Amino acid sequence: DTEVTQTPKHLVMGMTNKKSLKCEQHMGHRAMYWYKQKAKKPPELMFVYSYEKLSINESVPSRFSPECPNSSLLNLHLHALQPEDSALYLCASSQDAGEYTGELFFGEGSRLTVL
Amino acid sequence: EDQVTQSPEALRLQEGESSSLNCSYTVSGLRGLFWYRQDPGKGPEFLFTLYSAGEEKEKERLKATLTKKESFLHITAPKPEDSATYLCAVQKIYGNKLVFGAGTILRVKS
Repeated sequence: DTEVTQTPKHLVMGMTNKKSLKCEQHMGHRAMYWYKQKAKKPPELMFVYSYEKLSINESVPSRFSPECPNSSLLNLHLHALQPEDSALYLCASSQDAGEYTGELFFGEGSRLTVL
Repeated sequence: EDQVTQSPEALRLQEGESSSLNCSYTVSGLRGLFWYRQDPGKGPEFLFTLYSAGEEKEKERLKATLTKKESFLHITAPKPEDSATYLCAVQKIYGNKLVFGAGTILRVKS
């Protein structure tokens, strides 16, 4: 069983909708990540939070807005998305903070479809 | 430019037929190389970290090795439940982001 929990598992939204993806971890990790994965492609990094502060933004369009309310929670707010934003959105966490690490614990993902 | 290339793209094995997956990389200043397993529709699952040439890690039927230019994931006597996409990723010194390879899709038939 994964220790990173993502909700919802599936989300269908129109281009004018506002929705949010949620992620929670209780491993005491201090770094949390959002990745985007298209079919048959590797995950692409979007954002990194370290000690609840945004430390990396991989030039992601402003229609994606991350939020880290506390060290256990990570949200991704979605607004005015395009059909090409349809993908599997993965949340991950890692023990280290202040320095990026490659040993990531991923959630099962939220499958997003934009109509 | 940093590059990670995995081969083959897809591999079909019979149960019990051992084989290896390859991950070749060109990176200036490697901090670590990481192997992940991903089942369809799920998030990747961390398997191994390798830091220096000559290092080996084992877990059940899997063994990962590292040279200065590539890493191998050896699968001994695979079972159908080993079917998955295997991803490798490299991380540069000074904490840069992971660079993932495209993955190898492994299918093991009984």
